[in-house]
Amino acid sequence: QQPVQSPQAVILREGEDAVINCSSSKALYSVHWYRQKHGEAPVFLMILLKGGEQKGHEKISASFNEKKQQSSLYLTASQLSYSGTYFCGTEAGGMRFGAGTRLTVKP
Amino acid sequence: DAGITQSPRHKVTETGTPVTLRCHQTENHRYMYWYRQDPGHGLRLIHYSYGVKDTDKGEVSDGYSVSRSKTEDFLLTLESATSSQTSVYFCAISRGEAISYEQYFGPGTRLTVT
Repeated sequence: QQPVQSPQAVILREGEDAVINCSSSKALYSVHWYRQKHGEAPVFLMILLKGGEQKGHEKISASFNEKKQQSSLYLTASQLSYSGTYFCGTEAGGMRFGAGTRLTVKP
Repeated sequence: DAGITQSPRHKVTETGTPVTLRCHQTENHRYMYWYRQDPGHGLRLIHYSYGVKDTDKGEVSDGYSVSRSKTEDFLLTLESATSSQTSVYFCAISRGEAISYEQYFGPGTRLTVT
């Protein structure tokens, strides 16, 4: 029931783009995205709701395909500050989070 | 900053001892959560609360109990700690009246059971 994230890890150069995917075997009402830096708490980035409503980060975008039960997070023109582990979360009797995608942005 | 504090921030305890972790919020949010985070597993929900004395189990609730006697405090108790409960524990709140709202996390408690 835990959503599946891919890739597990990605390394970028500053300015490059990245896509992180999240898929679920269950029908989704919403998908949450969070970023966690080492030794810190997860921080909310974005939530996508069934029906297309989206709330969140101004420099990061995401898509939500309800039929395919998938969501993707798009990081454009990555900055050093984007480094961290990204988690997607889905609702299924409480929140279920993916195992995370570790993103490293190098100068 | 959602006004969430956790105590203690670090704890080392022995197998078989009871342990209570406290989460305190200052904004009177209805929904509160306890997660554990382990390498390779991301965040896993232990228990959550949707009001005073209203709680429900998450996916990894065995060995844990919770209580919420006041809106601002959500307690997580390990009745008899085991080494498998060594983890980082995060408390979170939802800024809304349902799970479908963004969650804000406390700073975490690192628990080591020896």
